[in-house]
Amino acid sequence: DTGVSQNPRHKITKRGQNVTFRCDPISEHNRLYWYRQTLGQGPEFLTYFQNEAQLEKSRLLSDRFSAERPKGSFSTLEIQRTEQGDSAMYLCASSLTGIGNRVSYEQYFGPGTRLTVT
Amino acid sequence: KQEVTQIPAALSVPEGENLVLNCSFTDSAIYNLQWFRQDPGKGLTSLLLIQSSQREQTSGRLNASLDKSSGRSTLYIAASQPGDSATYLCAVRHQTGANNLFFGTGTRLTVIP
Repeated sequence: DTGVSQNPRHKITKRGQNVTFRCDPISEHNRLYWYRQTLGQGPEFLTYFQNEAQLEKSRLLSDRFSAERPKGSFSTLEIQRTEQGDSAMYLCASSLTGIGNRVSYEQYFGPGTRLTVT
Repeated sequence: KQEVTQIPAALSVPEGENLVLNCSFTDSAIYNLQWFRQDPGKGLTSLLLIQSSQREQTSGRLNASLDKSSGRSTLYIAASQPGDSATYLCAVRHQTGANNLFFGTGTRLTVIP
């Protein structure tokens, strides 16, 4: 257990429905990342937050995807009008950033949410 | 764009053997490199992190090396055990700009009892 939790662990939905996933990072971590992993591939970056600010979004994050991190704590990732191509494992990671040599920016990953769109 | 390649894609070894997994990356301007383990259907477990200024890191039976100038890293596993069977992923973080990790596609390791 890395200390990063994600819910739900599995989600099956029908094409066209909206889904929302939640990530709870390690409490003192100020950075939170979302990645998507399809079968046989490495994770691909979607977006990241520093505290409550969303600082970067990948071109993979279409306008059907939206992420929030209110109050700089947990984060949600919503997919609207799901498509079969959205089926994947959605991974959340957190890290600590700061000043000084002891900050490694090591990312800790949650167990993921597996989405299946039928 | 950073590209990370892992060779081989799959590897089977008998229990007790030492083995090496390879990772290469195209842009050497990295901040750090992480090796992860992923069990089927699970999330990622961080094994080792090497800062760009370091040459290697060790944790138990694992040793990771980094040659930043040539864009290569290796993960050495000593005295392999069936419990080591998993997919091993390497990932790099750039020095500047985006803070995300760029991942390889992984090496699927099977240790045969």
